[in-house]
Amino acid sequence: DSGVTQTPKHLITATGQRVTLRCSPRSGDLSVYWYQQSLDQGLQFLIQYYNGEERAKGNILERFSAQQFPDLHSELNLSSLELGDSALYFCASSAGIGANSNQPQHFGDGTRLSIL
Amino acid sequence: AQSVAQPEDQVNVAEGNPLTVKCTYSVSGNPYLFWYVQYPNRGLQFLLKYITGDNLVKGSYGFEAEFNKSQTSFHLKKPSALVSDSALYFCAVRDYYSGAGSYQLTFGKGTKLSVIP
Repeated sequence: DSGVTQTPKHLITATGQRVTLRCSPRSGDLSVYWYQQSLDQGLQFLIQYYNGEERAKGNILERFSAQQFPDLHSELNLSSLELGDSALYFCASSAGIGANSNQPQHFGDGTRLSIL
Repeated sequence: AQSVAQPEDQVNVAEGNPLTVKCTYSVSGNPYLFWYVQYPNRGLQFLLKYITGDNLVKGSYGFEAEFNKSQTSFHLKKPSALVSDSALYFCAVRDYYSGAGSYQLTFGKGTKLSVIP
């Protein structure tokens, strides 16, 4: 058990809809990362938050947004969903993020999003 | 930006035989390298990391990895494969962005390991 909790495990919805994925990081971890995993694109970094602040953006679409709350849980919002958004969405957390930080990221079990 | 490559999409090995999953890296400066494993319907699990020091790194579940600076490689190894080792394996490199004051992990495309009974 990584200590990272993601809900829901599965989500089925239709094109054009909006969904929210939730992540609770490991106790004590201040940084949260979101990834998208699909068969054709592999594992893609989307966005990172640290202690409530956005720190880095990867290949995140404008239709997607995220936030990290004061209790450090994070939500990833996906809107105007398209068939191509069907994927596994992972959250990971880590303790430090500085130049000398060498701790691994710990992953949740993901949310499988299916767009019909 | 830093990058890693996993040249094999799939590796098949017989149970009890040694296994190797290959990874090469391209970095500026000293590399921080990681291996993760993903079992079906699960998230990625951390196996081991190389930061500095001994070129042979030992990790979880009997896995080890050999860092080779001259060949820019970080291959994952295990002396005797188990059927339960069958999974998807990812190599990753830490990419630090001074502007953001944070790091990200850049992952390879993954290698599917099948251990045949």
